Amino acid sequence: GDSVTQMEGPVTLSEEAFLTINCTYTATGYPSLFWYVQYPGEGLQLLLKATKADDKGSNKGFEATYRKETTSFHLEKGSVQVSDSAVYFCALRINQAGTALIFGKGTTLSVSS
Amino acid sequence: DADVTQTPRNRITKTGKRIMLECSQTKGHDRMYWYRQDPGLGLRLIYYSFDVKDINKGEISDGYSVSRQAQAKFSLSLESAIPNQTALYFCATSRTSGTGELFFGEGSRLTVL
Repeated sequence: GDSVTQMEGPVTLSEEAFLTINCTYTATGYPSLFWYVQYPGEGLQLLLKATKADDKGSNKGFEATYRKETTSFHLEKGSVQVSDSAVYFCALRINQAGTALIFGKGTTLSVSS
Repeated sequence: DADVTQTPRNRITKTGKRIMLECSQTKGHDRMYWYRQDPGLGLRLIYYSFDVKDINKGEISDGYSVSRQAQAKFSLSLESAIPNQTALYFCATSRTSGTGELFFGEGSRLTVL
């Protein structure tokens, strides 16, 4: 079935370090891909998305490129801040009627000053 | 005010009790969802509804039921709560058209003793 696999955390970085959180997917069709972020004590909010192969989603200094050939959507940021500490979820949605988002297990990021 | 409101935000109950979690939204979206979040397991879909007359089971619907009382309201019930239903529950909405981006409530933390 359709699924999302994320690298396990926690990921611990110092401020201004480079961040990569790996995400790969298995899908029967051509999905849209998403990264959501959950700050402590809050619900999830959309960070970025990409709807077709080779699209790059970006927001708040984060980027991810939809790579169909490697079925990946890795999240990157060049210089993390303490305020980026959160749980990050990769998700997919098959682009057909009647489907809901499928989430990965989440990766906890902790950034220290 | 939040666009997606969940009540209660926190609830402690005992095994065997009936519990209802309520969700209301002001976004005008037709689609509504219930997910649960457990440490290390990410978000798993319990039920979803694409309009008032449409209810669909998700990945983990056993032990849960839902009611879509109106376009704006979607409630989740645990008929006889058990300890392994202790979790953080999220309601979410999405538009009928578009990429399927979800908009989340702030979550309802349920503890079953």
